[in-house]
Amino acid sequence: KQEVTQIPAALSVPEGENLVLNCSFTDSAIYNLQWFRQDPGKGLTSLLLIQSSQREQTSGRLNASLDKSSGRSTLYIAASQPGDSATYLCAVDTGRRALTFGSGTRLQVQP
Amino acid sequence: NAGVTQTPKFQVLKTGQSMTLQCAQDMNHEYMSWYRQDPGMGLRLIHYSVGAGITDQGEVPNGYNVSRSTTEDFPLRLLSAAPSQTSVYFCASRAPRGQLEAFFGQGTRLTVV
Repeated sequence: KQEVTQIPAALSVPEGENLVLNCSFTDSAIYNLQWFRQDPGKGLTSLLLIQSSQREQTSGRLNASLDKSSGRSTLYIAASQPGDSATYLCAVDTGRRALTFGSGTRLQVQP
Repeated sequence: NAGVTQTPKFQVLKTGQSMTLQCAQDMNHEYMSWYRQDPGMGLRLIHYSVGAGITDQGEVPNGYNVSRSTTEDFPLRLLSAAPSQTSVYFCASRAPRGQLEAFFGQGTRLTVV
C-alpha cells in the first residue's frame, strides 16, 4: 500500500526566506506526483505536476523536484511572502486513477 | 469554465439520516473521485470512477454509495449518517491522458449530530 509522508507538519518562517517542503512515498512505481495548495476552509489548488519521467517542474517562485528511485519530492519556494501562507499537500498517482495524499505541511510566513 | 462544482457547501444531518452530496464537472473528464479530509489525516479516497457506469471502492468506502450515470456527474450518497462521517468532502476530476492535473471542488463541510 502506498504511503505518503510530509515533513515538517508545520513551518513558520520570516518573509523573504527560501524554504523547502518535503514529501516521501513508499512505492516508487508512480505515474506522477502533484503538489497542491489549500487555504483554510477552501478547496485544493494545483501548483505543479511532475510526471514520472521528469525530474523537476517550475512555476514562478515554485520549483518541485522528483527522485522516484529514492521515493522523494521537494517543493522549493523562493523569496517567501505572507500570501504563501497555506497548507501544502503532495499527492502521488500510482495508476489507480485516484491520488494518495500526504497529511500536508502548514506554512506560516511572518511579515 | 466552472470546473468542479460541489453542492451543498455546508450540511448538518442527524444520525441515521441519508443525503446525497452532488458533484458536477464541465471539463469532460473521465476520471472522478471522492475524498474525505479529517484533521491531521490528509485526504482519504472514498470511491472513484473511470467513466460512466464504472465505479470502484477506495480506502474508506463503508457507509457511502456512488453511481456514475453520466460523464459530468458523480454523486456521493450517505446511506445512514453517523457522527464518524463528520468531515469535509472533496470531489475531484481529471483526464485519463494528456493533461493529468487533478481539479478539485470547493468541498462540502458535513456535520452529523
